[in-house]
Amino acid sequence: EVQVVESGGGLARPGGSLRLSCEVSGTTFSSYAMSWVRQAPEKGLEWVSTVSGRGGSTYYADSVRGRFTISRDNSNNTLFLHMNSLRAEDTALYFCVKESTPYRSAYSWFDTWGQGTLVIVSS
Amino acid sequence: QSVLTQPPSVSGAPGQRITISCTGSSSNIGAGYGVQWFQQLPGTAPKLLIYGSDNRPSGIPDRFSGSKSGTSASLAITGLQAEDEADYYCQTYDSTRTGFYVFGTGTEVTVL
Repeated sequence: EVQVVESGGGLARPGGSLRLSCEVSGTTFSSYAMSWVRQAPEKGLEWVSTVSGRGGSTYYADSVRGRFTISRDNSNNTLFLHMNSLRAEDTALYFCVKESTPYRSAYSWFDTWGQGTLVIVSS
Repeated sequence: QSVLTQPPSVSGAPGQRITISCTGSSSNIGAGYGVQWFQQLPGTAPKLLIYGSDNRPSGIPDRFSGSKSGTSASLAITGLQAEDEADYYCQTYDSTRTGFYVFGTGTEVTVL
């Protein structure tokens, strides 16, 4: 069974930084693209970023491009999201999500979700 | 601001059939990309219900079915049960922005 466990959330000041981590087990981690999806309080789901299986390709939503960096350590089955210049509107539950293919694709899907880690940006 | 529009709420009595619509455009659903549906029970992470517009992952009951036509997709739930009370989201790829995955606005299902 595939397991996805996020960590690293917490309280940050506007303009501050946080690093989220996501450990994946029960599958060949490097064979799949991984994404971050967030959900602001009482709001819907928003795709944030995706990294290909080998880490060579990264993609970002306009709302975070230039501030967030996605990366992965395939030797330790871990996904990261480095968040800089945080804003109040970044407050959300951040889900780590495994995709069904090695690359971002119009025909892949999010097949396994973690429980999320909460990020609160407030002064 | 989502590019996929869903009704905010849908309700039905136990045993009934309900459908949830997901309306997109020619750059996403209408372009032929697969549509996924996720169920989010209160206080939990989303769960994949349908992938590739009409495929169910193993373990998902056949009460849930998906379809797609033109620029819209639909999720049908037959034999509605109390445990189906949740938020439901559609999702697909949008070709207007490189690498973009887009979600629907979400629909709250209430079992009367």
